[in-house]
Amino acid sequence: GAGVSQTPSNKVTEKGKYVELRCDPISGHTALYWYRQSLGQGPEFLIYFQGTGAADDSGLPNDRFFAVRPEGSVSTLKIQRTERGDSAVYLCASSPLGRTGELFFGEGSRLTVL
Amino acid sequence: GDSVTQMEGPVTLSEEAFLTINCTYTATGYPSLFWYVQYPGEGLQLLLKATKADDKGSNKGFEATYRKETTSFHLEKGSVQVSDSAVYFCALTHTGGFKTIFGAGTRLFVKA
Repeated sequence: GAGVSQTPSNKVTEKGKYVELRCDPISGHTALYWYRQSLGQGPEFLIYFQGTGAADDSGLPNDRFFAVRPEGSVSTLKIQRTERGDSAVYLCASSPLGRTGELFFGEGSRLTVL
Repeated sequence: GDSVTQMEGPVTLSEEAFLTINCTYTATGYPSLFWYVQYPGEGLQLLLKATKADDKGSNKGFEATYRKETTSFHLEKGSVQVSDSAVYFCALTHTGGFKTIFGAGTRLFVKA
């Protein structure tokens, strides 16, 4: 079946603009995660959804970042008033119930803030 | 807090050489340990895992043993191929938890 799909694959925006990044997880996976990966670093946890609710959003860096998963499938990561420091690859992963740590990643959305 | 430390790369080897990538961790309790791999132009994918002390995870000729006494999970392969060139990430997750902590990654180059 299809893997985790992320769009756009690349996004270039100007400082101060609003950005949305979309993730379509593997069908049937109840858990969905957003991570951020800066150059030369490992993925850094942002937020975790179990179903429709955000079970843990402790990794979101500040209140400019917000994510939703209204129907328990597709998720959108929203970044307001983007800053140059937000430039990174944003990774989405999903996981089937009961398989803690076994993450299926998308190819990521590369965000560049000019 | 929990953390994962990997050896710095890049690691450059000739084909058929022996590979070791060191990984140590700091965590409370007994986490599950993972190695993920990212091939050029692709997303991260799970390579192998171990869920308790002395477990050995293996896949595609790679192995890693969960060593609680040394808090380590070193990745090994007896004979690398050019196609193994990638970035390798060590990671941990607490059993029943959901937050996976990743190391910084180690880039491997294998020359023909």
